[in-house]
Amino acid sequence: KQEVTQIPAALSVPEGENLVLNCSFTDSAIYNLQWFRQDPGKGLTSLLLIQSSQREQTSGRLNASLDKSSGRSTLYIAASQPGDSATYLCAVRLRNNDMRFGAGTRLTVKP
Amino acid sequence: DAGVIQSPRHEVTEMGQEVTLRCKPISGHDYLFWYRQTMMRGLELLIYFNNNVPIDDSGMPEDRFSAKMPNASFSTLKIQPSEPRDSAVYFCASSLFLTTDTQYFGPGTRLTVL
Repeated sequence: KQEVTQIPAALSVPEGENLVLNCSFTDSAIYNLQWFRQDPGKGLTSLLLIQSSQREQTSGRLNASLDKSSGRSTLYIAASQPGDSATYLCAVRLRNNDMRFGAGTRLTVKP
Repeated sequence: DAGVIQSPRHEVTEMGQEVTLRCKPISGHDYLFWYRQTMMRGLELLIYFNNNVPIDDSGMPEDRFSAKMPNASFSTLKIQPSEPRDSAVYFCASSLFLTTDTQYFGPGTRLTVL
């Protein structure tokens, strides 16, 4: 059964710092991996989608990498801002089209 | 487009009552998904539709849950009878394609069953 783990569960950093969020999954047979942002009381907003054939995707200050063989993905946030404070979830799309989410990393960026 | 619309945003009901959650996907999206989020179990896929047809309902917890999509712009998730353990935030999401497209989530319905 596919397990998705996110470490750390919570992270607090000062504004301006570069940071890395980690996601690991147990089964490499995936279609894609997606990073989402969730603000308190809100739905999920997709940040980056990496297909299984891709190694990384970039959008602005965000960069996500995917290493299928080792079952790992990282989300790199450059020059963090207080507005980046949210919970970040990764999710993998399995070959049976199911989607499994990690529990998320709660990020706080202090001014 | 207004994005995925869900109603109600909050629902409080008593155990044993019927609950109906509603979703309007983004126009033109062929896929619609229902998720449930709890502190204990995180985010779980309940069911998804393709062109109004249920494709995989293996995530639906039990027979008390049912979902329909009578047309391309409307879906419902019904719980009958509701139980306190059904309390959660229920999200609807839609996408154009299944494996190559991002999913767009609605704001969710927070359900509390007393």
